[in-house]
Amino acid sequence: AQRVTQPEKLLSVFKGAPVELKCNYSYSGSPELFWYVQYSRQRLQLLLRHISRESIKGFTADLNKGETSFHLKKPFAQEEDSAMYYCALSRQDSNQFYFGTGTSLTVIP
Amino acid sequence: KAGVTQTPRYLIKTRGQQVTLSCSPISGHRSVSWYQQTPGQGLQFLFEYFSETQRNKGNFPGRFSGRQFSNSRSEMNVSTLELGDSALYLCASSLGGTKNIQYFGAGTRLSVL
Repeated sequence: AQRVTQPEKLLSVFKGAPVELKCNYSYSGSPELFWYVQYSRQRLQLLLRHISRESIKGFTADLNKGETSFHLKKPFAQEEDSAMYYCALSRQDSNQFYFGTGTSLTVIP
Repeated sequence: KAGVTQTPRYLIKTRGQQVTLSCSPISGHRSVSWYQQTPGQGLQFLFEYFSETQRNKGNFPGRFSGRQFSNSRSEMNVSTLELGDSALYLCASSLGGTKNIQYFGAGTRLSVL
């Protein structure tokens, strides 16, 4: 069965410090992985997807199939990065998404 | 381009009642997915509709149902409401192929008293 795990419910870092939000998944096929972000009082929106291999707002994420992980990283956290982050998986044969329970990131000034 | 629109934004119901939520997708999007969001469980997939047909279904009881109209607008219905149904219900639309980006609405906050 498909599952997405985000082990940290809450994460606090100081401004300028590196940040890593962890995401592990279980899926036997070839998944597509996404990171979605929800800023305060805004709707859930796509941050990045592994297939595009982009850096968005300084964030990057690398799919590690050996470790079944898709951790989100940013070298220098900014206050505006404070938000709820969700890792999501889409199966190769479906438009069904599986979301993790989310990590609330707080960047301390 | 208008985003995904969900109505109403807030609903208060009592146990045993039923409720209907509406979702208008982005123009041109044929897939609509519904999620239940709660603090403890995160986003849980309810079902997905594509071209008026339910294509995927999550692990929710039969009290949760939905439908999609020819203009891709979708409705979700919950019958015999329970206290545990209190949640934010999110709708997401996408073009409809596999692995498409999902665009989310602002949600309908349902409170069951």
